[in-house]
Amino acid sequence: QSALTQPASVSGSPGQSITISCTGTSNDVGDYNYVSWYQQHPGKAPKLMIFDVNNRPSGISTRFSGSKSGNTASLTISGLQAEDEATYYCNSYTGGSTTYVFGTGTEVTVV
Amino acid sequence: EVYLVESGGALVEPGRSLRLSCTASGLRIDETTMYWVRQAPGKGLEWVGGMSWNGGSMGYADSVKGRFTISRDSAKNSLFLQMDSLRPEDTALYYCAKDMSGSYTLDCWGQGTLVTVSS
Repeated sequence: QSALTQPASVSGSPGQSITISCTGTSNDVGDYNYVSWYQQHPGKAPKLMIFDVNNRPSGISTRFSGSKSGNTASLTISGLQAEDEATYYCNSYTGGSTTYVFGTGTEVTVV
Repeated sequence: EVYLVESGGALVEPGRSLRLSCTASGLRIDETTMYWVRQAPGKGLEWVGGMSWNGGSMGYADSVKGRFTISRDSAKNSLFLQMDSLRPEDTALYYCAKDMSGSYTLDCWGQGTLVTVSS
């Protein structure tokens, strides 16, 4: 099972919106609505930001939203803030012998 | 509130074995599907394997299949990762995580325990 493909880095100015893509295959992202997104600050554990493609856990800002089209999922961060600087990983259920596959990770920089 | 605490990480020589533990509070591991995820230094997240709430295997990554085994002790409310024939490329921070009820989502993570495989 190959890792899902994400851009290595994305940057934006405070207040802007950015979108991170996550490309998989018809065996993972394209076949299941179990795509999640995680935020990881340096030295910290991953934190769930989006689950089931477009749902936010309690306590997560509405500035974070998710979507999916075909084999590609996306995370949009609107009203970018300095605290959003982190690495973001997508994840998809695969339904196979390897239950989950992660994305390659995207470093978000607020410039 | 749910807490997951990993332990057991250490510096070990290639070829040796190590067992990691994940002790849970705020949930019963025999009612929860749980996983191990690792992150090599400066690298991304890699799913390692998991155990279903009913004790069945959720599979293993190809990179660890046949060398790593996941088990649990319900009395201790703990999940374990037995790692045999360790290789330098197994060097990573190992996280324990749980599935969200009703979804396939890792919604709660521990802080990780560091395994270094080196001679």
